[in-house]
Amino acid sequence: DTEVTQTPKHLVMGMTNKKSLKCEQHMGHRAMYWYKQKAKKPPELMFVYSYEKLSINESVPSRFSPECPNSSLLNLHLHALQPEDSALYLCASSPGEVISEQYFGPGTRLTVT
Amino acid sequence: AQTVTQSQPEMSVQEAETVTLSCTYDTSESDYYLFWYKQPPSRQMILVIRQEAYKQQNATENRFSVNFQKAAKSFSLKISDSQLGDAAMYFCAVDYAGGTSYGKLTFGQGTILTVHP
Repeated sequence: DTEVTQTPKHLVMGMTNKKSLKCEQHMGHRAMYWYKQKAKKPPELMFVYSYEKLSINESVPSRFSPECPNSSLLNLHLHALQPEDSALYLCASSPGEVISEQYFGPGTRLTVT
Repeated sequence: AQTVTQSQPEMSVQEAETVTLSCTYDTSESDYYLFWYKQPPSRQMILVIRQEAYKQQNATENRFSVNFQKAAKSFSLKISDSQLGDAAMYFCAVDYAGGTSYGKLTFGQGTILTVHP
């Protein structure tokens, strides 16, 4: 199984809602990532978890809250988002070696109204 | 800090022809990896090819090959026998081996490739 799955595929939420994005991998990877991608732009790194510990937070606003319950699962909790947070949110994983390619999920298309 | 530059925002190619996408990068590190990722419209980003900086031999994967010029910090992607399914946004990326157990990709701005039948 060489797949990273993400749910939901699409999400529309109001600025006062609380929602969560979910990412799962069963490749035994020990590093997992959240990215934000705007149309026709490269992905921007948000968070990195390594061995279930938060290793990088790229100065992301607190309305985004990551969680790594176990080595296969990564969540992104959303609260009080702004319209400019509308984007494609990508999850990725990598084996956890020093350098290795990242495997990306299909993303969640988020629209904040 | 690392930077990656893709100077061609858009490229086009006829089906069955060859196209080369350019990428230059800047890093002070000696140990790093280079990647080309492909992102078709509304579809998943997938790895096309990777190159270890310490290897002199250029990587190839079927119709995809790279021209890695380490001294010039250049890493171009050649797609031979282009197919309609090659149409996508292509991102060049570099990952520095910082002694951590995870990667941190630096992406270029991307090149949109159109394939004409």
